[in-house]
Amino acid sequence: KAGVTQTPRYLIKTRGQQVTLSCSPISGHRSVSWYQQTPGQGLQFLFEYFSETQRNKGNFPGRFSGRQFSNSRSEMNVSTLELGDSALYLCASSLEGVTPEAFFGQGTRLTVV
Amino acid sequence: SQQGEEDPQALSIQEGENATMNCSYKTSINNLQWYRQNSGRGLVHLILIRSNEREKHSGRLRVTLDTSKKSSSLLITASRAADTASYFCATAGGYQKVTFGTGTKLQVIP
Repeated sequence: KAGVTQTPRYLIKTRGQQVTLSCSPISGHRSVSWYQQTPGQGLQFLFEYFSETQRNKGNFPGRFSGRQFSNSRSEMNVSTLELGDSALYLCASSLEGVTPEAFFGQGTRLTVV
Repeated sequence: SQQGEEDPQALSIQEGENATMNCSYKTSINNLQWYRQNSGRGLVHLILIRSNEREKHSGRLRVTLDTSKKSSSLLITASRAADTASYFCATAGGYQKVTFGTGTKLQVIP
């Protein structure tokens, strides 16, 4: 059974640009969550999608958005990139949503210069 | 904001010793999970303990949960160099978002 796949693995962008990250969940999982991990703030919840609907949202500005497709694949978009957006972005999928356990992808390392 | 806080922030032990890390959280939960993360990679789920459970075992892992104190501990017995990683607790209540603690960085010295 394939795990959670995130693409790309690494990305370098310039301030002001926008970026789209992709996440393919484990087959059969309908919930996809996104997290931002930085050394200073740790793991911060961005949002969660279930059956194409955003069910939960963290405390991030509107520049961070996401969506989920009918095949459960998800994308997150960050517009007008700032240096502080440099982080490891992790995607997790689960069968029932935020409970029980979530399975994480390897992450996308975004560097904003 | 972080729901949980792990203690200690960093731990260095010799191979074969036991490692204990603690997690405290603030609000009521349905379950608490522990994850491991190797150096900037994805998180690996270790164990889930529900709010009506007090202790759970999985291989060399033992997790306890004290809901009255809003705390949990993870014990890794007979540690190995491969256990070197960061360990996070994560809490979830109802359909709220999962929130992660600050993590404990464990180093096991061969």
